[in-house]
Amino acid sequence: KAGVTQTPRYLIKTRGQQVTLSCSPISGHRSVSWYQQTPGQGLQFLFEYFSETQRNKGNFPGRFSGRQFSNSRSEMNVSTLELGDSALYLCASSLDMRETQYFGPGTRLLVL
Amino acid sequence: DQQVKQNSPSLSVQEGRISILNCDYTNSMFDYFLWYKKYPAEGPTFLISISSIKDKNEDGRFTVFLNKSAKHLSLHIVPSQPGDSAVYFCAASARGGSQGNLIFGKGTKLSVKP
Repeated sequence: KAGVTQTPRYLIKTRGQQVTLSCSPISGHRSVSWYQQTPGQGLQFLFEYFSETQRNKGNFPGRFSGRQFSNSRSEMNVSTLELGDSALYLCASSLDMRETQYFGPGTRLLVL
Repeated sequence: DQQVKQNSPSLSVQEGRISILNCDYTNSMFDYFLWYKKYPAEGPTFLISISSIKDKNEDGRFTVFLNKSAKHLSLHIVPSQPGDSAVYFCAASARGGSQGNLIFGKGTKLSVKP
């Protein structure tokens, strides 16, 4: 079974731009979560989607948003990028909201 | 305010010996704990988990111990191998809710020397 895939793997943007990251979960997994990893803050939860609905949200500003499609694929969007948004963005999927999560390789975002 | 703490940023162990990675938590609502391993440029890989109704879970060379009264868990790797060299993250959730909202520690970098 293929694992979680994330595209693109690397991205360079400038301040003020917006970005959309994509995540394809493991086949059959219906829950998708997003995390941000930075050297200073570690891994922090962004949001979780299940059945196209956001179920949980972390403590991030409204510039961070996401959605899930009927095939469980998910996207996250960051608008008005700031330098501090430079991070590794990780997507994780699970069968449902109470099962173990499996992570993708991440998208490395650099904001200049 | 960190709810999950891994106080040792790094650990160095000789091949064949035991590696013990520690994790403390503050939120008494946490009832499910996981360990993930992460190599550079890859996402975290699930290793082992434990529910709060147990105090030990074993999977091959990996054993996780949970001490609820001390709000402490540890991961034992026996015997340690050079391929185990990676960053290990402890994570916790309140399973009454969702697994999707994992709270992670900041990680411990394990180096296993041949």
